[in-house]
Parts: sequence; C-alpha cells; structure tokens
Amino acid sequence: DADVTQTPRNRITKTGKRIMLECSQTKGHDRMYWYRQDPGLGLRLIYYSFDVKDINKGEISDGYSVSRQAQAKFSLSLESAIPNQTALYFCATSEGPNSNQPQHFGDGTRLSIL
Amino acid sequence: GNSVTQMEGPVTLSEEAFLTINCTYTATGYPSLFWYVQYPGEGLQLLLKATKADDKGSNKGFEATYRKETTSFHLEKGSVQVSDSAVYFCAPNPYSSASKIIFGSGTRLSIRP
Repeated sequence: DADVTQTPRNRITKTGKRIMLECSQTKGHDRMYWYRQDPGLGLRLIYYSFDVKDINKGEISDGYSVSRQAQAKFSLSLESAIPNQTALYFCATSEGPNSNQPQHFGDGTRLSIL
Repeated sequence: GNSVTQMEGPVTLSEEAFLTINCTYTATGYPSLFWYVQYPGEGLQLLLKATKADDKGSNKGFEATYRKETTSFHLEKGSVQVSDSAVYFCAPNPYSSASKIIFGSGTRLSIRP
C-alpha cells in the first residue's frame, strides 16, 4: 500500500546541514501530519496541516519547519540538523474532521545525524 | 491532561498463547480509541478501533472493548501467531478532530514458534 510515500527512506548527514524530508499522498485527504518516533517514547507530533493554507505546530516543533505545497504534498525541513534529531520520522494523513477517523502512515524515514 | 499508559514490553509468548496488552487512558469527554500495529520496517497501520462505550473493535483475531468505567481499551487475542510479532500502540483521540491522537509508548511483541 503506497498511498502515503515518504522520501528518502534513509538518510545519513552531518550536524549543521539543512535536510528536507518529503511526503506525498494519493488518498485525497486534506489533513497531513509529521511525527518523530524515538525508542520507548511512542510518536510525538511535530507539525500538522488541515489544508494547503493551514500549518500548526505540534508538541515538538522547535528546530523544524514545514511546507504544504499542495493537498498531496507536505515536506519537513530541519534547518540546521543536530544529533538529537536522529530518529524515525513518519508522515500521516487523515480524512478529518471527526475524532473517529484513523490516521494513515507512510513507511518512515530513518534519519541519522552525525 | 490527556494521557495514555500501556503495558511495557517486550512481551514474549509462544505460538498459540493468549495475549493481553493493557491500555488505560485519561481524557475528557468521549474519546475514540484506536490500536495501531507497526511491523518491522513499516509505518503504523490501524488494527482496530471503537468509538463509544461498550463497543468492541476487532480485526485479524484481535479484539478490544471500550470500557468507559475503567477508562481502558485492552488488546486481546486468543491464539497468537509468529506473524503477530510487531509493536502495538494504543491511541486514544480525545479531541473533536483527528489532529492530536495521543500515542502510547508502544509494546513490542515477539512470538516464538
């Protein structure tokens, strides 16, 4: 199921570099999300967007920025990468607006910052 | 505030054993409740959900019942298989939109043949 596609799947980079992670979806959903996953901490929300003109901070937005280029595309940038941003990053979508609607996830981007 | 607590892993069982993964939550109002599963190298995918009290969600032999009186949503399966090895996340959504699902820390399940 490639309804939510993340690129790249893996990335190794150095401290201080600017990095962009991309997400595209074919589900036709308006709502898109970026999470990071760290061992033992579950998923934490970085940013979310309800439509092309809407951007909202999540619980851990410092050091990150996003761009919603189109309904289908939502990219995450690390302006100046630091080692504690090493994590697994997930993009997700939802049909919204009801709380009973699940989120649909991409397969993740494993990011390592040296 | 809103929070979720789920059983810490890892949990290791033999094939055909009975599985329970506990999940309790703190939330205002009437949250929708979800279990997600993450197989190795993949993203999370919805396993089952329940949206009101006493509802039972079920899928792939897994079940969970929405217990409002105990604010719990425990995941059960009567006979696990090796292919059930994965990480399981309990995720209540207490908000009026799907914007801020709260994810538990995840329970890693390993099944021995």
